Amino acid sequence: GAVVSQHPSWVICKSGTSVKIECRSLDFQATTMFWYRQFPKQSLMLMATSNEGSKATYEQGVEKDKFLINHASLTLSTLTVTSAHPEDSSFYICSASSGGSDEQYFGPGTRLTVT
Amino acid sequence: AQKITQTQPGMFVQEKEAVTLDCTYDTSDPSYGLFWYKQPSSGEMIFLIYQGSYDQQNATEGRYSLNFQKARKSANLVISASQLGDSAMYFCAMREGVGYSSASKIIFGSGTRLSIRP
Repeated sequence: GAVVSQHPSWVICKSGTSVKIECRSLDFQATTMFWYRQFPKQSLMLMATSNEGSKATYEQGVEKDKFLINHASLTLSTLTVTSAHPEDSSFYICSASSGGSDEQYFGPGTRLTVT
Repeated sequence: AQKITQTQPGMFVQEKEAVTLDCTYDTSDPSYGLFWYKQPSSGEMIFLIYQGSYDQQNATEGRYSLNFQKARKSANLVISASQLGDSAMYFCAMREGVGYSSASKIIFGSGTRLSIRP
C-alpha cells in the first residue's frame, strides 16, 4: 500500500518558538493532504485540507496564521506551528490521497510538546 | 452537516469472542463512504474496512465485517474471534462526496477503546 511519512516523529520546543512538521507521500503523488490534531484520549480533529499549489482550506476555529500549511509539491506538505504555546501540545497526523483512489493514507503522526 | 457518533467509550471482551463496535452517522448527502480505523498505542491510524453508501453488500475484510444498515444510519464494526492484538482505539469515520472522491475530508467519531482479556 501507499506510504506516508512524517518528520519528526516527536519534537519538544520552547514556548514562543516555531516548529515545522513535514508530511511526505513516498510512493505516490498526493494531490490532497489533510492535517489533523489529536489531544490525549480524544478523536482526530481535522485542521485543514491542502491541495498542491493552492492555499489550504482551514476548518472553522483553526487559526490560519498560527498553523501555516504549505503544499508546494505533490509529495510534500508542511505544517508550521508558529509561536507555539503549551496548549498547542498535541499529536499531529497528516493523511494524503492521490485522487485516483478512494482511500486516504495516514502518516504515523508527530507528537509535539511545548514547554 | 455530517456527524459520526460512537456511544461506547470503552469495551472489554474475552479473547476469541466476537465483538461489535457501534457507529451511527448523520448526513444529508446520498453519496458517502464509511470507514473504520484502528489506532494502537503507537498512534498510527490503520485502515480496516470501507463501505460505500451505494454498496449492496456489507463489506468484509478478513476478521472484520461492517454491518451496514442504511435506513438506521448505522455502520457497526464486527470483529470475529478477537485477539490480544486487537486491543486499541477504534474510530468510525465518514466522508461525503460523489464517486468516493478522496479529496473530500473524513470526519471521525469519538472512538471506542477496545480491550481484549486473555
